[in-house]
Amino acid sequence: EVQLVESGGGLVQPGGSLRLSCAASGFTFSDYSMNWVRQAPGKGLEWVSHITGSSSITVYADSVKGRFTISRDNAGNSLHLQMNNLRAEDTAVYYCARDGGDNFDFWFGYWGQGTLVTVSS
Amino acid sequence: EIVLTQSPATLSLSPGERVTLSCRASQSISSDLAWYQQKPGQAPRVLIYDTSNRATGIPARFSGSGSGTDFTLTISSLEPEDFAVYYCQQRWSWPRTFGQGTKVEIK
Repeated sequence: EVQLVESGGGLVQPGGSLRLSCAASGFTFSDYSMNWVRQAPGKGLEWVSHITGSSSITVYADSVKGRFTISRDNAGNSLHLQMNNLRAEDTAVYYCARDGGDNFDFWFGYWGQGTLVTVSS
Repeated sequence: EIVLTQSPATLSLSPGERVTLSCRASQSISSDLAWYQQKPGQAPRVLIYDTSNRATGIPARFSGSGSGTDFTLTISSLEPEDFAVYYCQQRWSWPRTFGQGTKVEIK
């Protein structure tokens, strides 16, 4: 069974940093690209970042470019998001999502339960 | 950036009714569109990918259609568990973008 479990969320002051993690199990982690998708309270979904299985390609939303860094540890089956210079508008539930489901590629086939990041003084 | 516009924002319906949700892209995205369902307190789950293919385990009452810039998600007969928010999403180009969502609520 595919499982994605996020951790690392919490309350941080504006300008601060936080590192999110996503522990993956139930599949060959290195075979799949991974993503972070966020959802501000009461709002819609916003894709944040993408990383290929080999980490050769990373992509970011303009809203986080230069502040957030996505990375992965294939030996440890984990995905990370280093978030620096956090702003109030970064407040959201952050989901990790796998590219690909049981019978398709590229779409967000599996999601974690999310971790809440609150940026406030 | 490709903007996806969903309509309507909210639908108030009764179980058993037929539902049609719309998603319009700001430029052609071929068939590179998916639909997700999200219930309160839960992560989204994919319903339809590549415009018209149902994901594993998704009931046949859900169907998708369209191409280019205009797409539709249809629920043939609403079940109580279908009351949720629905999002469309494109993967034609980066950044991957979502529509703002359509809430299907109980009338």
